[in-house]
Amino acid sequence: GQNIDQPTEMTATEGAIVQINCTYQTSGFNGLFWYQQHAGEAPTFLSYNVLDGLEEKGRFSSFLSRSKGYSYLLLKELQMKDSASYLCAVTDSNYQLIWGAGTKLIIKP
Amino acid sequence: SAVISQKPSRDICQRGTSLTIQCQVDSQVTMMFWYRQQPGQSLTLIATANQGSEATYESGFVIDKFPISRPNLTFSTLTVSNMSPEDSSIYLCSVGGQADYNEQFFGPGTRLTVL
Repeated sequence: GQNIDQPTEMTATEGAIVQINCTYQTSGFNGLFWYQQHAGEAPTFLSYNVLDGLEEKGRFSSFLSRSKGYSYLLLKELQMKDSASYLCAVTDSNYQLIWGAGTKLIIKP
Repeated sequence: SAVISQKPSRDICQRGTSLTIQCQVDSQVTMMFWYRQQPGQSLTLIATANQGSEATYESGFVIDKFPISRPNLTFSTLTVSNMSPEDSSIYLCSVGGQADYNEQFFGPGTRLTVL
């Protein structure tokens, strides 16, 4: 079966750095997405990786290792507004999007 | 990026009734998707709404329970039929395949509570 694993919840301190991991087992691979979802709101696109390596976008970076079936989202200089759920999603060989359960990130002052 | 609106934003319904959720996009899109998100959980794809043909349903979802219309390239509806409390959820429409990374854009969601 197809499976995406990410931690259920993480806590970090304002101003610090946090890394949210995602491992996947899918039928083929055509890209990995990270989405942010604030409570009560719709998910919004953060990043996309299809090749191995690190993609940096401001305070957020996303890393992919296809051989390991592994990705992480790195958030630097954490702000209170970064408190949200972070969803990992993978596009399989049929271009079907497989969603992880999401990681709830709690930022403490 | 696409701008998507949904109506209603929330509703409280009685068991056994039906609710139709509307999704409007500000541009023509080929594919529209309907998701369900239950409290504290991730997204579950209900179906893909195709313009000019029947929707494609995912395992566990059937047309009789979740009929979908897609009359044109900017609009779709999802009906939740014969509702039960287990249908209480957030229903989201999204569009995809139009942007740089083929990412999906989501509507604001419809929060449904069934009593």
